[in-house]
Amino acid sequence: DAGVIQSPRHEVTEMGQEVTLRCKPISGHDYLFWYRQTMMRGLELLIYFNNNVPIDDSGMPEDRFSAKMPNASFSTLKIQPSEPRDSAVYFCASTWDDRTIYFGEGSWLTVV
Amino acid sequence: AQSVTQPDIHITVSEGASLELRCNYSYGATPYLFWYVQSPGQGLQLLLKYFSGDTLVQGIKGFEAEFKRSQSSFNLRKPSVHWSDAAEYFCAVGGVTGGGNKLTFGTGTQLKVEL
Repeated sequence: DAGVIQSPRHEVTEMGQEVTLRCKPISGHDYLFWYRQTMMRGLELLIYFNNNVPIDDSGMPEDRFSAKMPNASFSTLKIQPSEPRDSAVYFCASTWDDRTIYFGEGSWLTVV
Repeated sequence: AQSVTQPDIHITVSEGASLELRCNYSYGATPYLFWYVQSPGQGLQLLLKYFSGDTLVQGIKGFEAEFKRSQSSFNLRKPSVHWSDAAEYFCAVGGVTGGGNKLTFGTGTQLKVEL
């Protein structure tokens, strides 16, 4: 079975540009999570969805960040405008039982 | 609030030696516990998990972990380390009512394997 699929794997962008990260969860999983990993803060939960509905976005750092899940097989995390401090690895993850979470390979974002 | 402590930031072991990575958690109810491994440039791979039942759980790649409620610990072990085990290991704790929203990760332990 295909795992969680994220794109792009690597992105380098200039400060002020819009960044869109994409995720396809594992088929049949009805929970989807966006995490961010940095050296300073480790792994942080940004937002999670259940049945395409955002349940908790308290981890989203500020209004520049937004996430959507238009259907069960696709989600986006958007940063507009991007800043150098947004440089991090962004992971998408999914689960069907709200317990065992499966992670994608991550999107490595560098904002210069 | 739940929390996870991985007291060892870095550990170096010789190939073939045994390994134990420590994890202590704080959680007010019955925890769900996980170990994930992250190789350089890769995502997080689930090694094993504990929800209930037998406190010694077996995972992939020859890893095991033991849940000790009295010590609030969930240490990861492997009897003989291989060079390919060099990676970063994360312990995580989740809640009874919803693992996803309440999944908290430790800061990770970087494992180096000497040949």
